[in-house]
Amino acid sequence: DQQVKQNSPSLSVQEGRISILNCDYTNSMFDYFLWYKKYPAEGPTFLISISSIKDKNEDGRFTVFLNKSAKHLSLHIVPSQPGDSAVYFCAASHSGGSNYKLTFGKGTLLTVNP
Amino acid sequence: NAGVTQTPKFQVLKTGQSMTLQCAQDMNHNSMYWYRQDPGMGLRLIYYSASEGTTDKGEVPNGYNVSRLNKREFSLRLESAAPSQTSVYFCASSEWGILNEQYFGPGTRLTVT
Repeated sequence: DQQVKQNSPSLSVQEGRISILNCDYTNSMFDYFLWYKKYPAEGPTFLISISSIKDKNEDGRFTVFLNKSAKHLSLHIVPSQPGDSAVYFCAASHSGGSNYKLTFGKGTLLTVNP
Repeated sequence: NAGVTQTPKFQVLKTGQSMTLQCAQDMNHNSMYWYRQDPGMGLRLIYYSASEGTTDKGEVPNGYNVSRLNKREFSLRLESAAPSQTSVYFCASSEWGILNEQYFGPGTRLTVT
């Protein structure tokens, strides 16, 4: 049973436009969400996170939106740059459970075309 | 600061062979983790160590053992490799748990034939 779903395996956008990556979760106990970015042959790197007490968190060009009622979060990248081309993983955790376990989605490959 | 280092980068094993994947971090982090990533899949937690001297099972621990040798080092051992263990293995560390940012190593690509 996949508790964190990224239903779009890939996304292609033009440089300068907005990229929107989506993530859905099924476990209502999840209350902390993260996005990681991964380039080929490298380990993932942390991008941005959001706690369930918020519905938005912004860091430069990256904004994560959380809709708890829909169990949905999205990552917005504005403006998109070619260097943003990577696989993006959504991850979730239940802070009242284990502080050491993240559940990852399968990832979305973002390609930003010059 | 090297961050999180992993050795080896690549390894090919025959079924039944054993090996140990090494991981070290120089950030004085308390928590360390081992994940595997398979094609079309997200990362799955194999084992973690919340702090020096402790280890716990993650989502997919079968066929693996771990050792938290000291605060810096966390190794993953495959006692009898199986083709199903063909994967890319990532080690990560964080100050305390996942509410602090996890830093990942570059990965070890393991093939079991």
